[in-house]
Amino acid sequence: LAKTTQPISMDSYEGQEVNITCSHNNIATNDYITWYQQFPSQGPRFIIQGYKTKVTNEVASLFIPADRKSSTLSLPRVSLSDTAVYYCLVGGHTGTASKLTFGTGTRLQVTL
Amino acid sequence: KAGVTQTPRYLIKTRGQQVTLSCSPISGHRSVSWYQQTPGQGLQFLFEYFSETQRNKGNFPGRFSGRQFSNSRSEMNVSTLELGDSALYLCASSLAGSRYTEAFFGQGTRLTVV
Repeated sequence: LAKTTQPISMDSYEGQEVNITCSHNNIATNDYITWYQQFPSQGPRFIIQGYKTKVTNEVASLFIPADRKSSTLSLPRVSLSDTAVYYCLVGGHTGTASKLTFGTGTRLQVTL
Repeated sequence: KAGVTQTPRYLIKTRGQQVTLSCSPISGHRSVSWYQQTPGQGLQFLFEYFSETQRNKGNFPGRFSGRQFSNSRSEMNVSTLELGDSALYLCASSLAGSRYTEAFFGQGTRLTVV
């Protein structure tokens, strides 16, 4: 499974756009990139998934360059409630939650 | 629709005891996976059940076991508890065969071994 590297922590002010970059140099051809969000004492929550170029949903955008060796999760206009740990995962999409490899994640702290 | 339900939310057990945790997946989801989360090791995959069969297994000792029932509900059991088993145990269900690997996690069971 491809190893991912993300910043350990990030700070932001409310209302700003936050971009979290994940490196995955050994990504395989059939690997997808998925981001999860986790609040303390809760299970991770799926945010977004993509394979290449750009994916956007109601909560975030995911930018993937042509070489796919990195990806950037973009959270527009963050609020205090976006304070959480964000995980970047890389792997083949099996359609299940089996054998997901969570790294250390990025702890995002949003303040006023 | 109802999310993934895990019971109990909190448990305190003594070393050497055994414990059973329960997970009810989202209706229609046939794949259930279990994860252990600790501050030191992060989130680690335990095992996955699909149609009552264990399909994948992580790198945990045999004291950790599980099963899945015909209604897709799953249980995991930990025997001969050790202090290091203290963790948040998370269950995730998925609609196997969907286009995206979107896992839905429960709130977890916080197990404390004393």
